[in-house]
Amino acid sequence: DADVTQTPRNRITKTGKRIMLECSQTKGHDRMYWYRQDPGLGLRLIYYSFDVKDINKGEISDGYSVSRQAQAKFSLSLESAIPNQTALYFCATSGGFPTYEQYFGPGTRLTVT
Amino acid sequence: AQTVTQSQPEMSVQEAETVTLSCTYDTSENNYYLFWYKQPPSRQMILVIRQEAYKQQNATENRFSVNFQKAAKSFSLKISDSQLGDTAMYFCAFLRAGGTSYGKLTFGQGTILTVHP
Repeated sequence: DADVTQTPRNRITKTGKRIMLECSQTKGHDRMYWYRQDPGLGLRLIYYSFDVKDINKGEISDGYSVSRQAQAKFSLSLESAIPNQTALYFCATSGGFPTYEQYFGPGTRLTVT
Repeated sequence: AQTVTQSQPEMSVQEAETVTLSCTYDTSENNYYLFWYKQPPSRQMILVIRQEAYKQQNATENRFSVNFQKAAKSFSLKISDSQLGDTAMYFCAFLRAGGTSYGKLTFGQGTILTVHP
């Protein structure tokens, strides 16, 4: 089984709709992240959580919210989707010293029409 | 805040040849890690190589090696004996290590590498 799973893998939605992207991990790490990938911009951090009670805004949090339901689950919501939120979204979890390795989910391709 | 810059949007190389992807970064941190990630058409993010800033020796993983120039804040990736399966987008990434806020990655814009037969 994959270390980090994301659902859905692909989603098309209309402007103004609410949508939730879900993420689960089996690595047992406390730290989880949501990134957004756009062509020419790389991946940018939307929100991150260092434990269940700790939620932090990243570089581009406007228009997004998150929920950390458990150590293993971290969901990203678009309250009212707009076309410029069309992107590839990645969830990730990371360990600490010595590798600081980040484990990524397979990504969710979201299209807002 | 950290910034990571990849100035080569696209690169191409012939199979079996060597190619170098460039990355520069800007930070005031002393304790950090640098990474190269590969993203093939499957879009999965795959760790290629990791470099600890406190290590002077350049990291190597099979055909992949880095040239880490700490003073110049440069971190290039060399791929030797290029293979068709190396065709992918490559991202350079910075991670602040230590303390309590470790783990967040700052990515460059990415370089699309195409390996031609």
